[in-house]
Amino acid sequence: SYVLTQPPSVSVAPGKTARITCGGNNIGDKSVHWYQQRPGQAPVLVIYYDSARPSGIPERFSGSNSGNTATLTISRVEAGDEADYYCQVWDSSSDHVVFGGGTKLTVL
Amino acid sequence: QVQLVQSGGEVKKPGASVKVSCKASGYIFTSHGISWVRQAPGQGLEWMAWIRTYDGNTNYAQKLQGRVTMTTDTSTSTAYMELRSLRSDDTAVYYCARARGVTTGFDYWGQGTLVTVSS
Repeated sequence: SYVLTQPPSVSVAPGKTARITCGGNNIGDKSVHWYQQRPGQAPVLVIYYDSARPSGIPERFSGSNSGNTATLTISRVEAGDEADYYCQVWDSSSDHVVFGGGTKLTVL
Repeated sequence: QVQLVQSGGEVKKPGASVKVSCKASGYIFTSHGISWVRQAPGQGLEWMAWIRTYDGNTNYAQKLQGRVTMTTDTSTSTAYMELRSLRSDDTAVYYCARARGVTTGFDYWGQGTLVTVSS
């Protein structure tokens, strides 16, 4: 089955740029979606189709996808960005939705 | 506005079954599919199943095949997830989430339903 690998944690100072990676075999050939989940809340879609932002998501959130790595970039990080972030794809070979293991973003 | 409202928390004994509902509003129910995603305490997100609401076609995670069933009632815009032969490791928050298709992102999520399996 298809596996998505994320770093367990990323730390960043306020105002700096956070980059969260999502690794998968030829993930660049798939559409990647990213979710933010704050403690005790349901996930929120922050990036879809690799780099598109839903309405209401700040422009500070951006995404890219190429080769074996997709990346969620959060610019000018704020304290409110502290959350768990998950990448997700559809694996056509198994007809399954696949989530990465999640990355905890800590704002120092 | 789009809303997915789930049924309340459940406590079940091992071996029992649970059925969780997800009532949709604010959009045409059959225009989007529904998935169920669960999250065990302190763990990540795990996809369980998908249903194409306009024809009832389903797709289940291999590890849950035979134990999970998704259904819909289009007259009430409600999706259901039934999980049978519950085990302690089924204890989790269960979310419903909608997506236009299997390759698109989940743009709206329910509030979550805690299912606790304990003897």
